[in-house]
Amino acid sequence: AQSVTQLGSHVSVSEGALVLLRCNYSSSVPPYLFWYVQYPNQGLQLLLKYTSAATLVKGINGFEAEFKKSETSFHLTKPSAHMSDAAEYFCAVSGVNDYKLSFGAGTTVTVRA
Amino acid sequence: KAGVTQTPRYLIKTRGQQVTLSCSPISGHRSVSWYQQTPGQGLQFLFEYFSETQRNKGNFPGRFSGRQFSNSRSEMNVSTLELGDSALYLCASSSGGLNNEQFFGPGTRLTVL
Repeated sequence: AQSVTQLGSHVSVSEGALVLLRCNYSSSVPPYLFWYVQYPNQGLQLLLKYTSAATLVKGINGFEAEFKKSETSFHLTKPSAHMSDAAEYFCAVSGVNDYKLSFGAGTTVTVRA
Repeated sequence: KAGVTQTPRYLIKTRGQQVTLSCSPISGHRSVSWYQQTPGQGLQFLFEYFSETQRNKGNFPGRFSGRQFSNSRSEMNVSTLELGDSALYLCASSSGGLNNEQFFGPGTRLTVL
């Protein structure tokens, strides 16, 4: 079964600082990987997805993630944090023959002024 | 294009009752998935419907059921409610192919007293 592990349930960054959210996947074959963001009292919004076309994936709102097979990782980064980035972020995986998403536990990002 | 809509947004029930939640997918989408989100268990997959057929099912008891109509709208039902069923129920729609992006609705917040 596909699964992901997010390291760190809470990350606090200063405005303008680098945002780094860690995600490791468990899969015998390269899966499909996603990052979603959830703002309070809202559903999930897709930030970006990896589908094996390119290892460096650029998403919305200045986020990007790099797929590293050797490290089984798909970490999310943003060079400069903005106050509006305060939210909960979820890494998710689906298998090559799978229609469902398996989510990590989530990482809450707080941005300090 | 209208997004995924879920009704009602908030619901309060008592133990032992049953509840029906509704989801209208994005126009043209034939797949609807349901997820349960709780602070303790995180985001968990309930089931997925495609063209009125359940294609995938998560590890939930039989009290949780769903269906999809010919217009792709979906409902999920929970019978004999338990306190632990209190959660945010999220619906997601997609075109239905493998690795297709899932678009999430705002969710229905169910509170069981």
